[in-house]
Amino acid sequence: GENVEQHPSTLSVQEGDSAVIKCTYSDSASNYFPWYKQELGKGPQLIIDIRSNVGEKKDQRIAVTLNKTAKHFSLHITETQPEDSAVYFCAASIGAAGNKLTFGGGTRVLVKP
Amino acid sequence: GAVVSQHPSWVICKSGTSVKIECRSLDFQATTMFWYRQFPKQSLMLMATSNEGSKATYEQGVEKDKFLINHASLTLSTLTVTSAHPEDSSFYICSASPLAGATDTQYFGPGTRLTVL
Repeated sequence: GENVEQHPSTLSVQEGDSAVIKCTYSDSASNYFPWYKQELGKGPQLIIDIRSNVGEKKDQRIAVTLNKTAKHFSLHITETQPEDSAVYFCAASIGAAGNKLTFGGGTRVLVKP
Repeated sequence: GAVVSQHPSWVICKSGTSVKIECRSLDFQATTMFWYRQFPKQSLMLMATSNEGSKATYEQGVEKDKFLINHASLTLSTLTVTSAHPEDSSFYICSASPLAGATDTQYFGPGTRLTVL
């Protein structure tokens, strides 16, 4: 089955700096890669996703890049703000309707003011 | 759009009792709903996948007789933890995939914290 590795497990950045989280996956059939943000005591919130027909996607301060050949994808957050502090999870699936997501282990991001 | 609710948000029960958790997609119809369990500082662990009108598919190691799932409509799924014990205490989260549009996307509910005394 699919295996998703996520690094780093914790990330501390100064407000205004960039944060990068990387994930690798094992199943070459995977073609849908969402990123979720989870604040303490809440459910995960979808912040951005990418499908394998594109290499990069941006939404304001957030961007995701995908390298299907190397089987890795990354989340980039620019101009970080304290409210970006949370746990971020990457995931992968084969992108079919109702298909299971395989999650990475999560990255705890702390943005220091 | 794509809002998923859960009820209750937290529940405390005595050992041996059963607890029902509801998951609703508020502004879309969901073909598939998923139930996850999350322990502190850990990732999400998929428990089961349910489709409206069919039996749920449980992940390996999840007791189907203990965690009963009913997916009664395209907007409602319930998880019942039967004969709960302290080790069942956890954060339970559901997600739903829409019937139309991005059908591979999962939108998550806010979670239900279960404490079994």
